[in-house]
Amino acid sequence: NAGVTQTPKFQVLKTGQSMTLQCAQDMNHEYMSWYRQDPGMGLRLIHYSVGAGITDQGEVPNGYNVSRSTTEDFPLRLLSAAPSQTSVYFCASSDYRLNTEAFFGQGTRLTVV
Amino acid sequence: QQQVKQSPQSLIVQKGGISIINCAYENTAFDYFPWYQQFPGKGPALLIAIRPDVSEKKEGRFTISFNKSAKQFSLHIMDSQPGDSATYFCATGSARQLTFGSGTQLTVLP
Repeated sequence: NAGVTQTPKFQVLKTGQSMTLQCAQDMNHEYMSWYRQDPGMGLRLIHYSVGAGITDQGEVPNGYNVSRSTTEDFPLRLLSAAPSQTSVYFCASSDYRLNTEAFFGQGTRLTVV
Repeated sequence: QQQVKQSPQSLIVQKGGISIINCAYENTAFDYFPWYQQFPGKGPALLIAIRPDVSEKKEGRFTISFNKSAKQFSLHIMDSQPGDSATYFCATGSARQLTFGSGTQLTVLP
């Protein structure tokens, strides 16, 4: 059982470039979310989705875009990368109805130079 | 933005000792208080969680103590082991939308 799968694991971007971080889950969870992790700041919510076609902003949404066309996939797009977006990004999913454990992927370490 | 204040930032404990990490929250409407454990290069994983209708929950060597009136909850790790060395995050909210503390890096010395 793969759980939550994120790709790529590492990425280096130049300022101004765009890219998409991929996230897929095989647990049929309605709820998916993206967090960024920075030293000393814990994990902060970027965007989340409660089901296909429904997304909303979290605490730090600026510079990021999301869409949810299927239950399984929830990609995160960086429109024009900035050094401030250097971070480790985590995707998570949970069963919306049960409101219990959130399962996290292994993360994508992004460096913007 | 709702705050969750976690302390200490780092903690060093001898093998067999007790590790204690504390969190304070603001929003009394939240009903879910998990602790996540994260090893280097891995994503956070749920360690233990509590609902506010109980004051304590124990799972093996890990215990959450919850003080609703003080809006505080803490993680106790009994008989700490080197394999417990990791970063620990408290959180509040729901599994759908979690607000995390800043993390505690625990080191258990052999």
